Amino acid sequence: GAGVSQSPSNKVTEKGKDVELRCDPISGHTALYWYRQRLGQGLEFLIYFQGNSAPDKSGLPSDRFSAERTGESVSTLTIQRTQQEDSAVYLCASSPHHLPTDTQYFGPGTRLTVL
Amino acid sequence: DAKTTQPTSMDCAEGRAANLPCNHSTISGNEYVYWYRQIHSQGPQYIIHGLKNNETNEMASLIITEDRKSSTLILPHATLRDTAVYYCIVRVGSNYQLIWGAGTKLIIKP
Repeated sequence: GAGVSQSPSNKVTEKGKDVELRCDPISGHTALYWYRQRLGQGLEFLIYFQGNSAPDKSGLPSDRFSAERTGESVSTLTIQRTQQEDSAVYLCASSPHHLPTDTQYFGPGTRLTVL
Repeated sequence: DAKTTQPTSMDCAEGRAANLPCNHSTISGNEYVYWYRQIHSQGPQYIIHGLKNNETNEMASLIITEDRKSSTLILPHATLRDTAVYYCIVRVGSNYQLIWGAGTKLIIKP
């Protein structure tokens, strides 16, 4: 079946512009996560959605970052007034529930470059 | 939150078993150990997870010490396609965050 998809795969933008990144989770997965991965580093948690519950935004680095999710489907991560330090790969993952044993399935990521 | 430490890099000969160690000395009783790997330019891929008991699946085996302060991921017959960064992580909190370190870069040599 279809896995997690993300778009665009690459995004180059100028400092100060806004960007929107999209994630399509696996159908039926209620949990959705966004992570950021800087070059050569592990993943940093950004935000978590679970069903209709309020999202956990504790990992968002600043108020320039926001994310939305429509029901249990598509999610968008928006970065306003981009800075060079926002350059990274942004990864989305989904899982069927939010139990400790649930595996997270990752998309291929969006590589964001801020010039 | 529990943190993990892993070697920065390791080599292994093709066809041999690759043993990747991980220390998680501050792990709590209800925290699972997960292993993911990331092949270059791809999203992470789940390998295996465990709580207390050793685990085995079609990809790998996970050996967890009795005190749970360390674990070892074993790829029984490594192939060139197993070259990747391997992350040992613990899953914590009400939102089950995965706390990622820098991982071990495993290079399988012919």
